Amino acid sequence: DTGVSQNPRHKITKRGQNVTFRCDPISEHNRLYWYRQTLGQGPEFLTYFQNEAQLEKSRLLSDRFSAERPKGSFSTLEIQRTEQGDSAMYLCASSLGAVQGALWTGELFFGEGSRLTVL
Amino acid sequence: RKEVEQDPGPFNVPEGATVAFNCTYSNSASQSFFWYRQDCRKEPKLLMSVYSSGNEDGRFTAQLNRASQYISLLIRDSKLSDSATYLCVVPREGGSQGNLIFGKGTKLSVKP
Repeated sequence: DTGVSQNPRHKITKRGQNVTFRCDPISEHNRLYWYRQTLGQGPEFLTYFQNEAQLEKSRLLSDRFSAERPKGSFSTLEIQRTEQGDSAMYLCASSLGAVQGALWTGELFFGEGSRLTVL
Repeated sequence: RKEVEQDPGPFNVPEGATVAFNCTYSNSASQSFFWYRQDCRKEPKLLMSVYSSGNEDGRFTAQLNRASQYISLLIRDSKLSDSATYLCVVPREGGSQGNLIFGKGTKLSVKP
């Protein structure tokens, strides 16, 4: 399977624990995104990387959240001291950095997500 | 105006019906617009891209109205398999290219 791979698919943890999610993007894609989605809402942007550089991070993102993409390939998203409000589906997506002039033409390819439940 | 706002639905339509969804956006500088489809408990997938006034792909037509800052998605001859949530996606205002913001989605249910 050459799609975006995420693991674990499900994580149940107690409040206050740390969790880490991993995302393996499509191999030739240089951009990698993390989104969070809760029931009835669209995906909410968290952060994205171009190669190993983290280009943007949501202003809404608590400093308990950190993401890395050390070699420009896979990425990890860590949540420290989890809270019940962190319960959500964490989606990873990758894309080519497809820019034509001022036009963004890239398609985001999503993984199946990692569902976090904080008790 | 919110960055991206959609009709929440749900839209319940019979097979064969024509249905249209609207999406308004705040980023007047945006040049690219997208509709993604998300099936229940699945990940979003690209349905259509819109770069000029509109785009058509079979039964699906997307239209862009820059003056009023809205995008519409028209589905003709609805099929049961069209049942899904349709997400409107635009670049974030002030963000770098490729920083995409998703609407909350419009849920469509096509009934036999």
